Amino acid sequence: GESVGLHLPTLSVQEGDNSIINCAYSNSASDYFIWYKQESGKGPQFIIDIRSNMDKRQGQRVTVLLNKTVKHLSLQIAATQPGDSAVYFCADNGGSQGNLIFGKGTKLSVKP
Amino acid sequence: KAGVTQTPRYLIKTRGQQVTLSCSPISGHRSVSWYQQTPGQGLQFLFEYFSETQRNKGNFPGRFSGRQFSNSRSEMNVSTLELGDSALYLCASSLGGENSPLHFGNGTRLTVT
Repeated sequence: GESVGLHLPTLSVQEGDNSIINCAYSNSASDYFIWYKQESGKGPQFIIDIRSNMDKRQGQRVTVLLNKTVKHLSLQIAATQPGDSAVYFCADNGGSQGNLIFGKGTKLSVKP
Repeated sequence: KAGVTQTPRYLIKTRGQQVTLSCSPISGHRSVSWYQQTPGQGLQFLFEYFSETQRNKGNFPGRFSGRQFSNSRSEMNVSTLELGDSALYLCASSLGGENSPLHFGNGTRLTVT
């Protein structure tokens, strides 16, 4: 089946720098995208979502960019903090209702 | 508002046994989805329930089943456990409308020996 994939499995950044996590999706019918953060021992935590009628959406210190032409999604984290260290997943609604297609995840490590 | 609650947090079972996992959704959420998370396969969709009805099902064998009660709480059952069923089982709830974000619990870690 179709799936969402990630370009990089690990990302290491210095505290205070900006982080960019990338994601590629394959289902051109997908019209809803979500980013999740998963810390060790916890379930995925909702960060931000975006619908296909938008190409950018901002939250608190996070921005999601959507490029439907190349089926690419990115999550930008401003002024990265040690608490941002986690695995980040993108997901899309290429599946059926309630069925999000998840990428494999990118592990973000923040160096103090 | 309380988040999604899953019980138990940890389970150890032997091959051939069966197991039941429980999930209490966020108050007001009518949809509950279940996912299996493993290091090799990542997050994979099991099934989704809405108003006590299974709306969608992933590509898992019939040994995996679930149900939802009138209070939206959900259970999933795995029968005839196999070693490969060892995983983190995650429950997520949502309002149930199209493109409602899923909110996950912290999962049940199942180990099959």
